[in-house]
Amino acid sequence: DTGVSQNPRHKITKRGQNVTFRCDPISEHNRLYWYRQTLGQGPEFLTYFQNEAQLEKSRLLSDRFSAERPKGSFSTLEIQRTEQGDSAMYLCASSLLSRDNYGYTFGSGTRLTVV
Amino acid sequence: AQTVTQSQPEMSVQEAETVTLSCTYDTSESNYYLFWYKQPPSRQMILVIRQEAYKQQNATENRFSVNFQKAAKSFSLKISDSQLGDTAMYFCAFGGGYGGSQGNLIFGKGTKLSVKP
Repeated sequence: DTGVSQNPRHKITKRGQNVTFRCDPISEHNRLYWYRQTLGQGPEFLTYFQNEAQLEKSRLLSDRFSAERPKGSFSTLEIQRTEQGDSAMYLCASSLLSRDNYGYTFGSGTRLTVV
Repeated sequence: AQTVTQSQPEMSVQEAETVTLSCTYDTSESNYYLFWYKQPPSRQMILVIRQEAYKQQNATENRFSVNFQKAAKSFSLKISDSQLGDTAMYFCAFGGGYGGSQGNLIFGKGTKLSVKP
């Protein structure tokens, strides 16, 4: 297992276009998280899945944002009708739900630039 | 709701010296975990150290150690013998235990650490 993989690494899109990012978690991890990180700030939680169930989505920034995790494996984050304010690093992380909290393993992120 | 505060936006330290990064948090939970993550420039975030709230003993990982003060809700990171490779953003994070909190980690805004030769 090579860790959490995110694709693409960089995405430049024109305002108004839709974009989709993919995250492949560590295979034995049952939780998957999406965060947004803007320059000089800490990661901001968006949503997370436990297996295929999306347990929290109220933090998604608007109804333009949606995420899926079909079959509890990889996940996609889609942003529709992108705006310049969506420019940020989108981080995916995974973890194993257990009695103890061992924290996350992060991916390298997808940097989105909306022009 | 839990909050995490890092009051030092930037710090610098000379190579081989010791530096302490501060973090305070607020929670009403009794069982939780605290983390320090390191994010080098243009690289992915990695876990530096983890502390269980129910353990009184401070966690250590090689040159990294924490000072966990549960009553004061303080969780500082000490880096000894600083190396150039320690240059990075450091994030303090709070997380609940099994089935706890919201399932996610809550991060502070980070401290940018520069190690100077």
